[in-house]
Amino acid sequence: GAVVSQHPSRVICKSGTSVKIECRSLDFQATTMFWYRQFPKQSLMLMATSNEGSKATYEQGVEKDKFLINHASLTLSTLTVTSAHPEDSSFYICSARNGNEQFFGPGTRLTVL
Amino acid sequence: SQQGEEDPQALSIQEGENATMNCSYKTSINNLQWYRQNSGRGLVHLILIRSNEREKHSGRLRVTLDTSKKSSSLLITASRAADTASYFCATDKYAGNMLTFGGGTRLMVKP
Repeated sequence: GAVVSQHPSRVICKSGTSVKIECRSLDFQATTMFWYRQFPKQSLMLMATSNEGSKATYEQGVEKDKFLINHASLTLSTLTVTSAHPEDSSFYICSARNGNEQFFGPGTRLTVL
Repeated sequence: SQQGEEDPQALSIQEGENATMNCSYKTSINNLQWYRQNSGRGLVHLILIRSNEREKHSGRLRVTLDTSKKSSSLLITASRAADTASYFCATDKYAGNMLTFGGGTRLMVKP
């Protein structure tokens, strides 16, 4: 199956700093990628839909100015958590659409101190 | 908001027993998928069942779908300790569209 990578896999940062997470489709082009967030012992919640070359579509309650999404190429989408706070600590997972299927990245564990 | 609900939230069984997890959803769907997630890790796709299918098998996995009741079940037969994980159902309204995940079932299989 298609492969999606995420980098970094784990990041620890200080409160107030910004963190960028990359999501790459390695062997296919993805015009659409999705960003999900998962808090401990909870399910995945969709944050936003990222479309190549256009603005991302954010789910209700997700601050677009805090979670900046850039999908500048067909194989890369980035999520930047700006001015991170401890409550942003979570597991961030991306997925990339290939035809009618979605393929998930391995996730990025963000810890904000 | 989350569409699916899963039942039970947690399940503990002995190795060799069968595990059944249920998922309910609220709106019409195109596909329903089941995923496994080991603690702190990414998702592993298990099986996809289309809205016009009623049952599907893959190895020790059996999935059923009842669109009239908007529910699905995942049966793992002859469970193993390595099956210990969280299991999520996910639905999409249109092919390739965003997935809406259920709350998940945490399965523990004791050796």
